[in-house]
Amino acid sequence: AQSVTQLGSHVSVSEGALVLLRCNYSSSVPPYLFWYVQYPNQGLQLLLKYTTGATLVKGINGFEAEFKKSETSFHLTKPSAHMSDAAEYFCAVMGAGTSYGKLTFGQGTILTVHP
Amino acid sequence: GAVVSQHPSRVICKSGTSVKIECRSLDFQATTMFWYRQFPKQSLMLMATSNEGSKATYEQGVEKDKFLINHASLTLSTLTVTSAHPEDSSFYICSAPPPRGAYNEQFFGPGTRLTVL
Repeated sequence: AQSVTQLGSHVSVSEGALVLLRCNYSSSVPPYLFWYVQYPNQGLQLLLKYTTGATLVKGINGFEAEFKKSETSFHLTKPSAHMSDAAEYFCAVMGAGTSYGKLTFGQGTILTVHP
Repeated sequence: GAVVSQHPSRVICKSGTSVKIECRSLDFQATTMFWYRQFPKQSLMLMATSNEGSKATYEQGVEKDKFLINHASLTLSTLTVTSAHPEDSSFYICSAPPPRGAYNEQFFGPGTRLTVL
């Protein structure tokens, strides 16, 4: 079984400041990890994913995340926040074996960007 | 990228009625689709896996007789909420992996907001 914990249900930053959204996972097998963004009343948009290979993953809109196996973490960062980044962000881990393809999501982190 | 649509985007119904939600893969075939439910201010929870040509598999705690899933073709899965009650009000989202079983990427529909009065 796998699980995901997102530390901080709300994060508030100033425009232009660093964005850091934390995600820790638990998985019995090498994980596939994802970050999604959700705008109000909309579906999910994939920001980035880690499957294998390079542990620093770059995604859309200037976001990146680093897979750290020793820390079981996959934190999402962006050097400079924009107002348009305000949304809810979900970290997710994909199952393996018979659960392959199924996503387990974290609780979500609402990002607020203020001028 | 691949596109997944859902219909309707919003539905309001009376308690006791049934509601059907469609999930379509528009430009690819999907032998498997996933249905998630998201309660207000909560995360997404996987409800069931929809398999083309066979029965859906439900996650623990999800009532299969209440949430009927039919995957009648390679591009369409439907979720029917039977005898809906206010506690079924939620945001329902489907997803589909792209062809060739590359489950490490999934495409999500835009979601359906169900409100049961």
